[in-house]
Amino acid sequence: NAGVTQTPKFQVLKTGQSMTLQCAQDMNHEYMSWYRQDPGMGLRLIHYSVGAGITDQGEVPNGYNVSRSTTEDFPLRLLSAAPSQTSVYFCASSYGRGTEAFFGQGTRLTVV
Amino acid sequence: GESVGLHLPTLSVQEGDNSIINCAYSNSASDYFIWYKQESGKGPQFIIDIRSNMDKRQGQRVTVLLNKTVKHLSLQIAATQPGDSAVYFCAENADNAGNMLTFGGGTRLMVKP
Repeated sequence: NAGVTQTPKFQVLKTGQSMTLQCAQDMNHEYMSWYRQDPGMGLRLIHYSVGAGITDQGEVPNGYNVSRSTTEDFPLRLLSAAPSQTSVYFCASSYGRGTEAFFGQGTRLTVV
Repeated sequence: GESVGLHLPTLSVQEGDNSIINCAYSNSASDYFIWYKQESGKGPQFIIDIRSNMDKRQGQRVTVLLNKTVKHLSLQIAATQPGDSAVYFCAENADNAGNMLTFGGGTRLMVKP
């Protein structure tokens, strides 16, 4: 199993550009989530999904969209990139609530 | 709102000593807690977890203690090694706070040879 795979690993965007961060898991997990991690800080929840076709907002959802058309994939879309979205983004998946979340290696995004 | 936090941002220990990393949580409905280790440039890695019906759980060289009375969680690492140097996060899960983990701010553990 590859676990949780995120692409790309690094990305530089200009302000106003849009892009999609990809996340795929091969563990047949129902729960998937996106976090952002700013320097020297913990992880903050952006959006999450408890199953295909179901998504919900986390702590910091503004400026991001998600969809969950399959169990395996959970892409995160930046609609119009802003410098405040410069961060490291982590995707995670788990069997369900109260279970270990497996994390991808992260996408380091810089918005200039 | 409800949050998970840590007492110490940085902990420096001598190789071979035991390390204790602390975490305070405020959501009394939290029933699942987990510790992650994050090395530079990598995603968080699972260390150990504990449910609220337990007060102690042991793994290989690690022990997690849960004190629900004072809403306190700790991670003990025995015989700390240079490879233990990383940032450690505690996280909680409660059914009244969404379905995902809520993370604390992290503690950096530095192991001196």
